Amino acid sequence: GAGVSQSPRYKVAKRGQDVALRCDPISGHVSLFWYQQALGQGPEFLTYFQNEAQLDKSGLPSDRFFAERPEGSVSTLKIQRTQQEDSAVYLCASSQISRPGTGSETQYFGPGTRLLVL
Amino acid sequence: AQSVTQLDSHVSVSEGTPVLLRCNYSSSYSPSLFWYVQHPNKGLQLLLKYTSAATLVKGINGFEAEFKKSETSFHLTKPSAHMSDAAEYFCVVTLYSSASKIIFGSGTRLSIRP
Repeated sequence: GAGVSQSPRYKVAKRGQDVALRCDPISGHVSLFWYQQALGQGPEFLTYFQNEAQLDKSGLPSDRFFAERPEGSVSTLKIQRTQQEDSAVYLCASSQISRPGTGSETQYFGPGTRLLVL
Repeated sequence: AQSVTQLDSHVSVSEGTPVLLRCNYSSSYSPSLFWYVQHPNKGLQLLLKYTSAATLVKGINGFEAEFKKSETSFHLTKPSAHMSDAAEYFCVVTLYSSASKIIFGSGTRLSIRP
């Protein structure tokens, strides 16, 4: 596809349920980012991959959150034992870099997955 | 430490009048600065970015922003607002040396009056 895609677009989970959110980045993009956007707030960084390597996971709010990108392409964000405070939009972005991250690369965002935990 | 502050949570202008969305940043190192727009139920889209080249940056849809180091500002402007500009706008700062040190502002909702 031409852009970043995410699935599902909407997810309703019962408290305590595990969920998995998928991100398909733009083909060939080296970097992949996950963000959490609470209602009325700006996105907050969760984690960053360069190819299959998870270089930064400092934004993951707890050990219930886990992300992987085993083949350096598709990524999955997993949330175990979901809590109500996990309700948010989860955004994925990818970027193409020619040298190790300089911070100036344009990120291309997917439409997000809206998670509601009841 | 770095941070970004969007001074207005909501801005309302009449169609055809100028738009000003304010952003101030704090960064110990040379920052990269971005403006993104988010339309309802759509992904974030890059409007423009500053990466230490020209201080006046032109973006898509007639938007531009000026990097002012002395004022630590990166305000977004457009000479004439269009109804389709109604959306949420985010100012973003990143550390030049790191791909993952990315800070989003809290956003400014732009409304356009007919």
